[in-house]
Amino acid sequence: GAGVSQSPRYKVAKRGQDVALRCDPISGHVSLFWYQQALGQGPEFLTYFQNEAQLDKSGLPSDRFFAERPEGSVSTLKIQRTQQEDSAVYLCASSLLPRYDTDNEQFFGPGTRLTVL
Amino acid sequence: DQQVKQNSPSLSVQEGRISILNCDYTNSMFDYFLWYKKYPAEGPTFLISISSIKDKNEDGRFTVFLNKSAKHLSLHIVPSQPGDSAVYFCAAYRNTGTASKLTFGTGTRLQVTL
Repeated sequence: GAGVSQSPRYKVAKRGQDVALRCDPISGHVSLFWYQQALGQGPEFLTYFQNEAQLDKSGLPSDRFFAERPEGSVSTLKIQRTQQEDSAVYLCASSLLPRYDTDNEQFFGPGTRLTVL
Repeated sequence: DQQVKQNSPSLSVQEGRISILNCDYTNSMFDYFLWYKKYPAEGPTFLISISSIKDKNEDGRFTVFLNKSAKHLSLHIVPSQPGDSAVYFCAAYRNTGTASKLTFGTGTRLQVTL
């Protein structure tokens, strides 16, 4: 399968621990997005990469959240000193082109469910 | 500030009947509206979209209607099938030239019964 993959699928962390969530986008996709989906809510935008450049990080909730995509393919979302309110599903999406149009669909991975105890 | 709203958390429809899912938005600057479908433990998958300059887009059993004056869109599924049972998210996008981030509603869980 050539879809977006994410690992781990489930992560349990103790409050205060650091976590790293990985996203493997579809090969060749320029754009990569991270979204956070809290229970009972829709996904909320966190950050956007165009190749290796992080062009928009306006959705990151605090400076404990950090994302990188150093070679323009795999991306990692890191959360430092996790808090209970960080518990959510973290979704990664990729699209082929830099801009949205009707042929530039965002393909989502299955998400990583993070539970902070 | 919830810019995209889905006020019905759930909907139950009989197989073969029409399913109508509704979505309201507040930001008149949105350029595209989309519907995503999500099964448990999977990521959302794109279903259908509509440009803000259109009022209707149809793809097989799925039709999306846009009423700009009312800032309202709806997804019609005809006929509904059991496999359509999922959570449906309305989303919107504003073309800013760089980021193409989606703003999602809270979702409507559709249950198609036999």
